[in-house]
Amino acid sequence: QLQLQESGPGLVKASETLSLTCTVSGGSISSSNYYWGWIRQPPGKGLEWIGSIYYSGSTYYNPSLKSRVTISVDTSKNQFSLKLSSVTAADTAVYHCARHRVGGTTDYWGQGTLVTVSS
Amino acid sequence: QSALTQPASVSGSPGQSITISCTGTSSDVGSYNYVSWYQQHPGKAPKLMIYEVSNRPSGVSNRFSGSKSGNTASLTISGLQAEDEADYHCSSYTGSSTVFGGGTKLTVL
Repeated sequence: QLQLQESGPGLVKASETLSLTCTVSGGSISSSNYYWGWIRQPPGKGLEWIGSIYYSGSTYYNPSLKSRVTISVDTSKNQFSLKLSSVTAADTAVYHCARHRVGGTTDYWGQGTLVTVSS
Repeated sequence: QSALTQPASVSGSPGQSITISCTGTSSDVGSYNYVSWYQQHPGKAPKLMIYEVSNRPSGVSNRFSGSKSGNTASLTISGLQAEDEADYHCSSYTGSSTVFGGGTKLTVL
């Protein structure tokens, strides 16, 4: 059974860079036809797609976050990572890593990790 | 890209049917048959319930069904049960990204 687990700091200072890593187990991140991505959910609000990456390194980002987001993949470790720069309180959210199919369907989710931006 | 539009809340009694709408534009819902629906219980990760407009993953009850007309997709839950009480989120492919709705809270009365 595929499992995804987020890791990283739960508290980030405003204007700094949020960094999270997702470790994939029970399957290979190099599988064809799947993308690996990040989705966030501010407290009490809806879901927001941040971006996705293919194992080859091709990336796709939410246009509203594109200038601040970098997603990378490390196939040797079966991991992918998120960096979000210049964070503000509006970036406080539960961040989920996930597996996407072609067309954006998200079929596996990590449990999520709360990241709070402090001033 | 703008978020898809969902009603903030819907409610129904056990055994009844409810429908949740998800309205987008001709650039997302109206152009692609890549609409998904997710169920989320409090404090849990979302769970895929419907993909590609009307397909159910293995293990999802056939009480859940999806459809689309023009720029609006819909999720119907028949024979409401107490465990269906949750938040429901829709999403659509846009050609180069994915956009979600604001989420709908389903209350089973």
